[in-house]
Amino acid sequence: AQSVAQPEDQVNVAEGNPLTVKCTYSVSGNPYLFWYVQYPNRGLQFLLKYITGDNLVKGSYGFEAEFNKSQTSFHLKKPSALVSDSALYFCAVRDMSRGSTLGRLYFGRGTQLTVWP
Amino acid sequence: DTGVSQNPRHKITKRGQNVTFRCDPISEHNRLYWYRQTLGQGPEFLTYFQNEAQLEKSRLLSDRFSAERPKGSFSTLEIQRTEQGDSAMYLCASSSVHTDTQYFGPGTRLTVL
Repeated sequence: AQSVAQPEDQVNVAEGNPLTVKCTYSVSGNPYLFWYVQYPNRGLQFLLKYITGDNLVKGSYGFEAEFNKSQTSFHLKKPSALVSDSALYFCAVRDMSRGSTLGRLYFGRGTQLTVWP
Repeated sequence: DTGVSQNPRHKITKRGQNVTFRCDPISEHNRLYWYRQTLGQGPEFLTYFQNEAQLEKSRLLSDRFSAERPKGSFSTLEIQRTEQGDSAMYLCASSSVHTDTQYFGPGTRLTVL
């Protein structure tokens, strides 16, 4: 069964410090992996994705994520956090195995990131 | 603005009433998705269209729910005989055949009293 786990409900970090938001996944075949950010009362905004190739993926607003197949992880990172990065972050996976559901994304429960000045 | 749009943004209704939401995808996108998000949870898949064809429906989509995309452009999601458990944010997303990235609209927040 396909699933995504975000083990931390909340991550707090000081502005200027590096941040990491963790994500692990479970799929039958090869995964497509995504990170989205959600601001209050807004829809989800795409940050970055991993399809294939380089395990380190760079995205919007200085975020990056590292795909680790052996650990089935796709952690989101940023070298220097900003107060404006405070939001709810979702990891999502799409199962690309034969016979998998068409385009459906499976989301984690989200991690609330708070960056304090 | 050329992003995904959804209307209305908020809907308050009484239990037992019918409601309909609209989604306008990014114009060149032929794939359209509906998700539901409840408080403290990530979005859960409801249904998927490619052009006008509804290719997949989740078990979450009970008989009271119906979605259409009549001309392969905008889509509607109707909930009949609403229940308090239907209260949620309903999100629409679209993507093209050339990219696997789903772009989301702002959502419609439904409150059933």
